[in-house]
Amino acid sequence: NAGVTQTPKFQVLKTGQSMTLQCAQDMNHEYMSWYRQDPGMGLRLIHYSVGAGITDQGEVPNGYNVSRSTTEDFPLRLLSAAPSQTSVYFCASSGTDSDSGANVLTFGAGSRLTVL
Amino acid sequence: GIQVEQSPPDLILQEGANSTLRCNFSDSVNNLQWFHQNPWGQLINLFYIPSGTKQNGRLSATTVATERYSLLYISSSQTTDSGVYFCAVEFKFISNFGNEKLTFGTGTRLTIIP
Repeated sequence: NAGVTQTPKFQVLKTGQSMTLQCAQDMNHEYMSWYRQDPGMGLRLIHYSVGAGITDQGEVPNGYNVSRSTTEDFPLRLLSAAPSQTSVYFCASSGTDSDSGANVLTFGAGSRLTVL
Repeated sequence: GIQVEQSPPDLILQEGANSTLRCNFSDSVNNLQWFHQNPWGQLINLFYIPSGTKQNGRLSATTVATERYSLLYISSSQTTDSGVYFCAVEFKFISNFGNEKLTFGTGTRLTIIP
């Protein structure tokens, strides 16, 4: 099925550990992004990419790295996890809708990360 | 400052009732979308509506860009409508390209009681 696939769905880390959240889309979308969702705060943009080889920072980029070597994949790296990074992470992609011409976001199912 | 405010924060309704959710934004936008997050956490795009009115079944949305607000209407509510509804905008002063930097509101939690 076409869409955005995130792995893992759940992860528990200890402070200082590193990990990568994977995100892949098969819709040939140029734009991809990572958001984090915390209670009572909506979604906040971490990093985004407008195409392979191009990335930029969002609202809350500190502690996270990204790369975009292919159109399909946009991994999010935590180099040294901190308890403040406990959150639910969503990957999203967007392209031009063929019917409406609009750029709408399609989200992955989310990854729940707990840092102890 | 940059603000996207949604109201009410919580709404509890009986099945079959109608509801109106509001999104106010602090500056001109070139992109506004409504999303539904179901109780399992999945986020689904409902409308792309930077201006005007759209309808999709029991749901409709209106954005009055000149007055900086958008409304989401849900008619004849069903229990499957429960969840959190988010409004997200991209402000023109941030970007002209579409989805680059969406700012989300904090959502309206809708609970439909059978």
